[in-house]
Amino acid sequence: GAVVSQHPSRVICKSGTSVKIECRSLDFQATTMFWYRQFPKKSLMLMATSNEGSKATYEQGVEKDKFLINHASLTLSTLTVTSAHPEDSSFYICSAGTSSSTDTQYFGPGTRLTVL
Amino acid sequence: SQKIEQNSEALNIQEGKTATLTCNYTNYSPAYLQWYRQDPGRGPVFLLLIRENEKEKRKERLKVTFDTTLKQSLFHITASQPADSATYLCATHPPGYSGGGADGLTFGKGTHLIIQP
Repeated sequence: GAVVSQHPSRVICKSGTSVKIECRSLDFQATTMFWYRQFPKKSLMLMATSNEGSKATYEQGVEKDKFLINHASLTLSTLTVTSAHPEDSSFYICSAGTSSSTDTQYFGPGTRLTVL
Repeated sequence: SQKIEQNSEALNIQEGKTATLTCNYTNYSPAYLQWYRQDPGRGPVFLLLIRENEKEKRKERLKVTFDTTLKQSLFHITASQPADSATYLCATHPPGYSGGGADGLTFGKGTHLIIQP
């Protein structure tokens, strides 16, 4: 149980375009999901907390107008990278906790974004 | 914010030996520490969580300790195997722990463990 999926797994886009990444909890409901970014050989950095039915909470230094988060249901959160630039190229990973997970988080497989 | 330090970027261990990884924290005392495994190009996989009132926790060949005096957690893999080769991440919650899976995590840089046959 507690499986989180992400789609797409890889995406290549041109500079200036927008890219949407989906994060789904497959076998549980997640009122809260988290989005992380990981650069090569670096650790995961929390970008934002996605709350179902309300606005996301962004970490300091993360532009909310650039990284749009929508948590429309208890099983789906989306991250849209708007007007992507090469410096946005990174590995984006989402996670969620179950109601019984007692602080354990389950991570998706990640999405590799490359902006040309 | 919390600072999580994993001092070894890489660790080479002979197969069959015990691998010991270190995680140190500063700034505040966390309610728990978590350990994850991450393989290249994949998301982290949860391994163990240890709370501040627990000294030790085990799961199969894995053991985690939590020393609040030293502000340190140790992660041990006994009878290590080449398949254990991966990056291991230590993580905890931000200040003002909420609980119930409502906290985004702060991660260390990870230790890349290589088990040599």
